[in-house]
Amino acid sequence: DTGVSQNPRHKITKRGQNVTFRCDPISEHNRLYWYRQTLGQGPEFLTYFQNEAQLEKSRLLSDRFSAERPKGSFSTLEIQRTEQGDSAMYLCASSPPGTGTPAFFGQGTRLTVV
Amino acid sequence: RKEVEQDPGPFNVPEGATVAFNCTYSNSASQSFFWYRQDCRKEPKLLMSVYSSGNEDGRFTAQLNRASQYISLLIRDSKLSDSATYLCVVNRPGGGNKLTFGTGTQLKVEL
Repeated sequence: DTGVSQNPRHKITKRGQNVTFRCDPISEHNRLYWYRQTLGQGPEFLTYFQNEAQLEKSRLLSDRFSAERPKGSFSTLEIQRTEQGDSAMYLCASSPPGTGTPAFFGQGTRLTVV
Repeated sequence: RKEVEQDPGPFNVPEGATVAFNCTYSNSASQSFFWYRQDCRKEPKLLMSVYSSGNEDGRFTAQLNRASQYISLLIRDSKLSDSATYLCVVNRPGGGNKLTFGTGTQLKVEL
């Protein structure tokens, strides 16, 4: 499978716990994005990497959220001290170099904080 | 004002009907435009890019009006399998190719 891969697909956690998600982009794509989607809404941009550099972080992302892409390949998104409001689908996408290229999404990680 | 606005629907149409969705965007500097399709509890998937001259892919036609800052998607001869949410997507100017999504328009094609 050469698409974007995300793990785990589902995560149920207790409030206050830390969680980490992983995203493996399409291999030749240098750009990687994290989005969050809640019911009835379109995906909301969280953060973006070009190679290993994190170039932008949304104001939606509180200090409890951190993302890394250490070698410019896979990326991790960590949420510390989870809150019920963090329950959402976390989507990773990647895109190739160039202007105006579309992004391709993984199947997402559905987080439920109880 | 939202950066990308869409009528959420739902649009309920009979099989074989033609249906059109519109979308408006606020940033006149936006340069790339797309329609994505999202099935229930699935990830968004690229349906088609939208070009200034308009473009067609089978039963689907996309149009861009830069002066009015709106994008449209026309689906002809709709099928039951077209039932999904259609997301209007605009790139964020300033580099990085970051995408801004509308909330989506829900389409239900019925027998």
